[in-house]
Amino acid sequence: DTEVTQTPKHLVMGMTNKKSLKCEQHMGHRAMYWYKQKAKKPPELMFVYSYEKLSINESVPSRFSPECPNSSLLNLHLHALQPEDSALYLCASSQMSKGRMNTEAFFGQGTRLTVV
Amino acid sequence: QQPVQSPQAVILREGEDAVINCSSSKALYSVHWYRQKHGEAPVFLMILLKGGEQKGHEKISASFNEKKQQSSLYLTASQLSYSGTYFCGTEEVTGNQFYFGTGTSLTVIP
Repeated sequence: DTEVTQTPKHLVMGMTNKKSLKCEQHMGHRAMYWYKQKAKKPPELMFVYSYEKLSINESVPSRFSPECPNSSLLNLHLHALQPEDSALYLCASSQMSKGRMNTEAFFGQGTRLTVV
Repeated sequence: QQPVQSPQAVILREGEDAVINCSSSKALYSVHWYRQKHGEAPVFLMILLKGGEQKGHEKISASFNEKKQQSSLYLTASQLSYSGTYFCGTEEVTGNQFYFGTGTSLTVIP
């Protein structure tokens, strides 16, 4: 199984709502990532979990809250988002060796989020 | 730090060759190359780990100049299926962030 599964595929939420994005992989990867991608732009790194610990937070607003319940699951909790947060949210996972990502990252198909 | 790619966009006819460049201001541990088609997730093409390394899969190959912090992706005899946006991704020597480059839109026409 070389898949990263993200749910839901599409999400529309109001600015006062609370929702969660989910990501799952069963490849035994110990690094998992959240990226945000706007149209015609490269993916922007948001968070990195390494061995279930948050290792990188790229100055993301607190209305985005990541969680890694176990080595296979990654969540992104959303609260009080703004319309400019509308984007494609991509989850990825990769092997780690000596703290390095020296193999490919596998990406999920993403959640297309619209904040109204 | 986000690496910079050039060119921003390129249009090719089937069978033509293209080179996409990726440049970083930071010392790099690795360079990855991905292709993303519209509405889809990025798909891995290859990874380069050491300076001067070159890899390839038939008509797509890449090189990594560790001293210059630069990588190039070579596409030869392009096919319609090569169309998409190409991103390099870099992991710096210090820290383990993985940043995508600015992207290159490649369109292959018949």
